[in-house]
Amino acid sequence: GENVEQHPSTLSVQEGDSAVIKCTYSDSASNYFPWYKQELGKGPQLIIDIRSNVGEKKDQRIAVTLNKTAKHFSLHITETQPEDSAVYFCAPQGGSNYKLTFGKGTLLTVNP
Amino acid sequence: DAGVIQSPRHEVTEMGQEVTLRCKPISGHDYLFWYRQTMMRGLELLIYFNNNVPIDDSGMPEDRFSAKMPNASFSTLKIQPSEPRDSAVYFCASSPPGGGKLFFGSGTQLSVL
Repeated sequence: GENVEQHPSTLSVQEGDSAVIKCTYSDSASNYFPWYKQELGKGPQLIIDIRSNVGEKKDQRIAVTLNKTAKHFSLHITETQPEDSAVYFCAPQGGSNYKLTFGKGTLLTVNP
Repeated sequence: DAGVIQSPRHEVTEMGQEVTLRCKPISGHDYLFWYRQTMMRGLELLIYFNNNVPIDDSGMPEDRFSAKMPNASFSTLKIQPSEPRDSAVYFCASSPPGGGKLFFGSGTQLSVL
C-alpha cells in the first residue's frame, strides 16, 4: 500500500507569516494530490488539490506544489490568519484505485 | 445540499453491545467511504463502495465489523460485539463520479465502556 509521511507534525506561526507543510508518498503511480483541513469537532474538508499533470496550483492564500520525480507535494499558506489554525492532512490517491491514504496530520497554530 | 449526514453524533455503549452507525451520502455521489480516526492511528479507511457495491474492505479490522449499502442514499457500519478499543470517531464520506474529492460528514464519536 501507499506509505505517506507528513512533516512537520506541529507548526506554530505568527499571524501574517507563511506556513509550509510537506507530504512524501511512495506510490509512483499516484495521480491525485489533495490537502484537507480539519477543524475541531468536524470532518476533514478539501481545501486544494492538484493532479499529476500540473506542477503548481494556487487559490488565493493557499497553493500546492508537486514534485513527482521526488514524490512529494507541499501545501503553502501565505498571510496566515487565526482561522487557519487547524489540522491539515495530505491524502495522495493511488494510481490503481480510488483510495486516499491520509498522512498523520499537521497541527497548525496561528498566533495573533 | 445538506452534505453528508451521519447519525448519531455521539454514541456511548457498553462492551459487548451492538452498535450501528448510519450515513446518508450526497445525492448523485456514487462512491461512499467509511473512515475511522484515532489519535494513535490517524484516519484509516475501513471500506468503500461504488454504486452500492463494496469494492475494498481490506481495512475492516475483523469480523466484528460489517458494512452495508442497500441503496444509493443509505449506508450502515455495524460493530457486533463492540469492544473498548473500537472507541474512535467514525467518518462517512462520499465522492462524485470519477472519484477524487471526498466530502466528509461530521462523524460519530463512539465510546465503548
